[in-house]
Amino acid sequence: SQTIHQWPATLVQPVGSPLSLECTVEGTSNPNLYWYRQAAGRGLQLLFYSVGIGQISSEVPQNLSASRPQDRQFILSSKKLLLSDSGFYLCACDRDSGSPLHFGNGTRLTVT
Amino acid sequence: KNQVEQSPQSLIILEGKNCTLQCNYTVSPFSNLRWYKQDTGRGPVSLTIMTFSENTKSNGRYTATLDADTKQSSLHITASQLSDSASYICVVSPGMYSGGGADGLTFGKGTHLIIQP
Repeated sequence: SQTIHQWPATLVQPVGSPLSLECTVEGTSNPNLYWYRQAAGRGLQLLFYSVGIGQISSEVPQNLSASRPQDRQFILSSKKLLLSDSGFYLCACDRDSGSPLHFGNGTRLTVT
Repeated sequence: KNQVEQSPQSLIILEGKNCTLQCNYTVSPFSNLRWYKQDTGRGPVSLTIMTFSENTKSNGRYTATLDADTKQSSLHITASQLSDSASYICVVSPGMYSGGGADGLTFGKGTHLIIQP
């Protein structure tokens, strides 16, 4: 079965500092990979998805970027964090449109 | 605009009691509807996936129903346990995706369920 590793679990960063969140997947090959953000009282918002190495699609304009340097590695980055980047970031994967999403345990980011 | 509305927003029940969570959607076309359980501070975990032709699907004490005509789904929890305390998220998938499998999903905001001893 698929396992998603995300780190760190929590992160506190000052405004203007860079960000790098990493996600790795075990137990499957060539997965679709996703970054979501979950704000309090709101549903999950899709930020980026990737169907293969080096292929990134962005759903919303933002201060963040994503990269997929390896088949099972997905990275979320920012050059300069904003206060509005605070939230709970979740990495997820699936194989096709009929299969369930598997989520990591998330990173709680607080920008101060 | 595709939307998924869940009710109630929050719910408190006593351990051992049953409860039903509601999900109404306006997503069209429709492919499948999913229920996820999210423990505090953790990622969501899939409970069920229901396609257009399925009316009921069970997973242990969890039973999901789907009425594709009225675009409504419910999640019934039987004999609740303290470990059922979590947020329950309804997610609807359209018939066609533009790219990766889950990029077309519409998420509800969830129902926050608290089981009291």
